Amino acid sequence: KAGVTQTPRYLIKTRGQQVTLSCSPISGHRSVSWYQQTPGQGLQFLFEYFSETQRNKGNFPGRFSGRQFSNSRSEMNVSTLELGDSALYLCASSHQTGVDEQYFGPGTRLTVT
Amino acid sequence: QKEVEQNSGPLSVPEGAIASLNCTYSDRVSQSFFWYRQYSGKSPELIMSIYSNGDKEDGRFTAQLNKASQYVSLLIRDSQPSDSATYLCAVGVYNQGGKLIFGQGTELSVKP
Repeated sequence: KAGVTQTPRYLIKTRGQQVTLSCSPISGHRSVSWYQQTPGQGLQFLFEYFSETQRNKGNFPGRFSGRQFSNSRSEMNVSTLELGDSALYLCASSHQTGVDEQYFGPGTRLTVT
Repeated sequence: QKEVEQNSGPLSVPEGAIASLNCTYSDRVSQSFFWYRQYSGKSPELIMSIYSNGDKEDGRFTAQLNKASQYVSLLIRDSQPSDSATYLCAVGVYNQGGKLIFGQGTELSVKP
């Protein structure tokens, strides 16, 4: 069974721009969660989607948004990029809920200059 | 107080020894507990999950959970240099779907 895939793997953007990251979960997994990982803050929860609905959201500004499609694929968007948004963005999928075993994709490394 | 705390590293053990990694959590309604391994430059990899009090063994790995003490640990027996990585403790909190809360991680170095 194929794992979680994320595209693109690397991204360089300029402050003020926006970015869209994509995630395809493991086949059969309906819950998709997004995390931000930085050296200073560690892994922080962004949001969780199930059946195209955001069920849970972390403590991030409204510039961070996401959505999930009917095939469980998910995208997250960051608008008006700031230098502090430079991070590894990780997507994880699980069967039903955000407290089930989660399997991570390889991540998207975002650098904001 | 952080929601999930791990003993600060780095932790260095000789090859063949037992590595002990510890984690405490603050939310009493936490339902699920996980250990992830993350190699430098890679994404986290799930290595153990535990849901009820007691021990759970999988190969060289043993996870221990004590909900009364809000404590979860990971023992790695016969440590190998390939076990050198950062180990992340994650706690699942169910709230309209749920989320995992991660500790800061403990860096483990296994010396040949």
